Order: sequence, then C-alpha cells, then structure tokens
Amino acid sequence: GAGVSQTPSNKVTEKGKYVELRCDPISGHTALYWYRQSLGQGPEFLIYFQGTGAADDSGLPNDRFFAVRPEGSVSTLKIQRTERGDSAVYLCASSASSGITDTQYFGPGTRLTVL
Amino acid sequence: AQKITQTQPGMFVQEKEAVTLDCTYDTSDPSYGLFWYKQPSSGEMIFLIYQGSYDQQNATEGRYSLNFQKARKSANLVISASQLGDSAMYFCAMRDRRSYQLTFGKGTKLSVIP
Repeated sequence: GAGVSQTPSNKVTEKGKYVELRCDPISGHTALYWYRQSLGQGPEFLIYFQGTGAADDSGLPNDRFFAVRPEGSVSTLKIQRTERGDSAVYLCASSASSGITDTQYFGPGTRLTVL
Repeated sequence: AQKITQTQPGMFVQEKEAVTLDCTYDTSDPSYGLFWYKQPSSGEMIFLIYQGSYDQQNATEGRYSLNFQKARKSANLVISASQLGDSAMYFCAMRDRRSYQLTFGKGTKLSVIP
C-alpha cells in the first residue's frame, strides 16, 4: 500500500512569512508524528497526534509552530513568522497505534529553507 | 531522560563484508523498544529492524541483525554481506513508556567500498 506522503517536497520562503506543510499518513494509522531534522543530526520530535487530538506537543519549539489533524488523517504543520533557524527537513511519521512496539513509518520529508 | 549514543560518525566497509554499527542507550524504564533506520541521500527514513526490551532473542531481518546486550545497554546493528546500496546514514532510536516519540542518535554514515 501507499506509504506516508508529504507535500511540498521543498519549500523556500522568506523570513517572516507563513508556511504550511502537509502530511498524509498510511491509511488506517491512528498515530501521527512530526519531527524536525537539522543538518548532521537525528530527527527531533515536535508533536504527536492520536486521532484528531494533539496528545503531546512538548517538542514544539515555540508558539510560532502549530499543527492540526482535523479528521484524524491528514495533518498540517503550520509555522508563522518564519525565521532562518527554522530551516530544516520536516519529517512526518505514522504508526498503526501508539504502543512502544509500533513501528513509526516516515515520509520523504519537506525541506524548508528560510531566506 | 532517554538518550541514544552513536559513537561512530563514519564507517567504511568493503563490499560483501559484514559491518557493525554501534548504539548505546539509556533509560530507567524496563520496558522499551529499539529501532534502526536507514536514511539514504534521498532523505527518507527507512525502517530496518526492531528489538523489544523483553525479547529473548536478537532480532533479525534478512541481512540485518541486532546484537542486543541488555546489561550493557547496547543494541548494535550488524549488516552482513554489505552491498553498494547500503551506503547511507544509519540511525538508532528508542522509545519507552514515558513518551510516544522516538529519541534518535546522531547517526553513523556508512560507506560501502567496491
């Protein structure tokens, strides 16, 4: 079946602009995660959804970052007033449920560049 | 807090040889899961293998096996019969019951030499 998809694959924006990044999880997966990966680092957690609700948003760096998953499937990560330090690859993952044995499957990522 | 350490920034291996990528972890929760992912230059994180803390046997998936030493808190990935397509970044990750997210190490860049 289809894997996790993310759009756009690349996004270039100017400092101060608003951006939206979209994630379409594997069909039937109830758990969805957003991570951010800076150059030379492993992915870092941002937010976790179980169904429609954000069960853990402790990784969001500040209130410029917000994410939604209104129907329990597609999720959108929103970044307001972008800064150059927001430049990174944003990865989305989904899993069938949220147990510790449930594998998280990742999408191809969105590379965000803030000029 | 959870912590993953990968001490090898880069590794080289001859094609068809085996290679071991090191990973040590730290958690106070006796129930946890360990994962290895491969990230080629294309950027996608590809799941390779999983080991649960209560699993009695080391996990294996094709050419991938996990050398799990619980007392030493290590979960090293062994790739047998390396192929040119194995050249990539490899990340070790874990999660326990205190959080839903994966905690990743900094990764090891593996280069397979023909």
